[in-house]
Amino acid sequence: LAKTTQPISMDSYEGQEVNITCSHNNIATNDYITWYQQFPSQGPRFIIQGYKTKVTNEVASLFIPADRKSSTLSLPRVSLSDTAVYYCLVGDGDTDKLIFGTGTRLQVFP
Amino acid sequence: GAVVSQHPSRVICKSGTSVKIECRSLDFQATTMFWYRQFPKKSLMLMATSNEGSKATYEQGVEKDKFLINHASLTLSTLTVTSAHPEDSSFYICSATESVKAYEQYFGPGTRLTVT
Repeated sequence: LAKTTQPISMDSYEGQEVNITCSHNNIATNDYITWYQQFPSQGPRFIIQGYKTKVTNEVASLFIPADRKSSTLSLPRVSLSDTAVYYCLVGDGDTDKLIFGTGTRLQVFP
Repeated sequence: GAVVSQHPSRVICKSGTSVKIECRSLDFQATTMFWYRQFPKKSLMLMATSNEGSKATYEQGVEKDKFLINHASLTLSTLTVTSAHPEDSSFYICSATESVKAYEQYFGPGTRLTVT
């Protein structure tokens, strides 16, 4: 089972743009890439989902290169309340199972 | 948006007892529900997938006799941890999907189980 990897942690300051990358070099051909936000002792909350190129919604953008072996979640202007763990979720190309990434702990400072 | 609830949110039980956790989709019919386990500072690990009216499919390494899953209706799935031991202490999260596209999952708030 190919591992879906993310940086363990990132630090940022309020108002800055944060980009979190997920590496998934064995992604299933037909599956979307989904990103979630998780606060301590809560279930994951949906942020954004995409298949290729770029997707933007009111809270984030998602960049996916043509080979789809990675994806980047972009949070335009983070605030203190964006301090959380961020996970990507992708389908594994061999098993077709959905696999969560290792998670990135984002700490936003004032 | 779609809402998924879990009950209880937190439970403490003694070693050797069984604990049931409920997962409900409140405003949609869930064709499939998933159960995850999450250890502190770790990612979510899929335990099993359940479809209404059929037996759950367990991931490798998950004991089906220990973690009993029942998906009795399109809005309710239960996870029963039988003969719990301290190593079963964890955060259990369910998710539900109303479509065949399993990546469109809606997650519950989670249940923290502590076995003493």
